[in-house]
Amino acid sequence: QTVVTQEPSLSVSPGGTVTLTCGLSSGSVSTSYYPAWYQQTPGRSPRTLIYNTNTRSSGVPGRFSGSILGNKAALTITGARADDESDYYCVLHMGSGITFGGGTKLTVL
Amino acid sequence: QVQLVDSGGGLVKPGGSLRLSCEAYGFTFSNYYMTWIRQAPGKGLECLAYIGTTGSAMYFADSVKGRFTISRDNTKNSLYLQMDSLRAEDTAVYYCARYGEHFDYWGQGTLVTVSS
Repeated sequence: QTVVTQEPSLSVSPGGTVTLTCGLSSGSVSTSYYPAWYQQTPGRSPRTLIYNTNTRSSGVPGRFSGSILGNKAALTITGARADDESDYYCVLHMGSGITFGGGTKLTVL
Repeated sequence: QVQLVDSGGGLVKPGGSLRLSCEAYGFTFSNYYMTWIRQAPGKGLECLAYIGTTGSAMYFADSVKGRFTISRDNTKNSLYLQMDSLRAEDTAVYYCARYGEHFDYWGQGTLVTVSS
């Protein structure tokens, strides 16, 4: 069974740039997987940041952007802020269903 | 405005059953696929099941296939998850979510605890 992979944790300095990635244990991620990115803070329901690879959800600031980098989907945060400290999940549409990655815990320090 | 309200969680013994509900407000419920997603304590998100607009096109994750059933009543703007043969590993917060091009609206979640 193919697993969706994410970095377990990353850190970024305030004002800095960080890229989170979303890959497959076997194969490459392309736009055909319609990658999406969700942000979740403790005790809250997730919210969509990016869908269809690079479409920002309503109300999401421009410092969040999505792309395909090499064989992975990527979420880039530019000008990181303290309130970006959250868990981030990617989602891929696979033949077997909609699959979440394991999540990346982002620390801003 | 769009709102999803999850309910029905609680404490249940292993092998028991529980039915979760999700009431939808503020949009034409019958126009959207709906999903159930869960999150075990301290763990990531898992898409369990989704259902098409008329009740077809269902999908189940391997972890719940044969034990959980998803259904909807478009006349009541409601989504359901019937959970049978519950196991300790089913302990989680369960969210319903609307699916357009993405999971664009989520319920607040309802906690299911499976323990003797």
